Amino acid sequence: DVVMTQSPLSLPVTLGQPASISCRSSQSLVYSDGNTYLNWFQQRPGQSPRRLIYKVSNRDSGVPDRFSGSGSGTDFTLKISRVEAEDAGVYYCMQGTHWPGSFGQGTKLEIK
Amino acid sequence: EVQLVESGGGLVKPGGSLRLSCAASGFTFSNYSLNWVRQAPGKGLEWVSSISVSGSYIYYADSVKGRFTISRDNAKNSLYLLMNSLRADDTAVYYCARDWEVLSYWGQGTLVTVSS
Repeated sequence: DVVMTQSPLSLPVTLGQPASISCRSSQSLVYSDGNTYLNWFQQRPGQSPRRLIYKVSNRDSGVPDRFSGSGSGTDFTLKISRVEAEDAGVYYCMQGTHWPGSFGQGTKLEIK
Repeated sequence: EVQLVESGGGLVKPGGSLRLSCAASGFTFSNYSLNWVRQAPGKGLEWVSSISVSGSYIYYADSVKGRFTISRDNAKNSLYLLMNSLRADDTAVYYCARDWEVLSYWGQGTLVTVSS
């Protein structure tokens, strides 16, 4: 199975400052169709996960443009350009290239 | 608007069974793969099972293989998860989600508690 490793697991950030989360996979996430199925999710306390970014760098509708995704192969990054209070929560990367799909451990972003 | 609404969770004794349902609306149900993902209390997300558009392809996590059965009824726009031989470590919120490569939409989840 593909192991997804996130870092850091805890991320205290001051309002207005940038934040970055790394996600590494144990195998390349490039699928035979040429797509890379690496996605990012946000889970606020008491809520369901919400997808932010799909296929590495595509932002979902309604997601603020301060969120961006990048990377290739086995190394990926989620960046928040200026953290706002509503960004507090847990962020997960997830791969859907290989069965079974798998998630990173989660990164808890807290506002300092 | 895409909606996924899970139901059927509750308290069950170890060794017992439960059937979860996920009612879908706002999209052409028969055109999309569907999935169950769970989250134990205070823990991360775990993929449980997936089913293809027609139901021809079905996948299970090793942790539930042989105990859980996923199915879908395209006429009723519904996804199901039959859970047998439940164990304490199956305690979790169970979410249904659409599109197994990208998990585009999620339901609100239904809590399953396995305890004597």
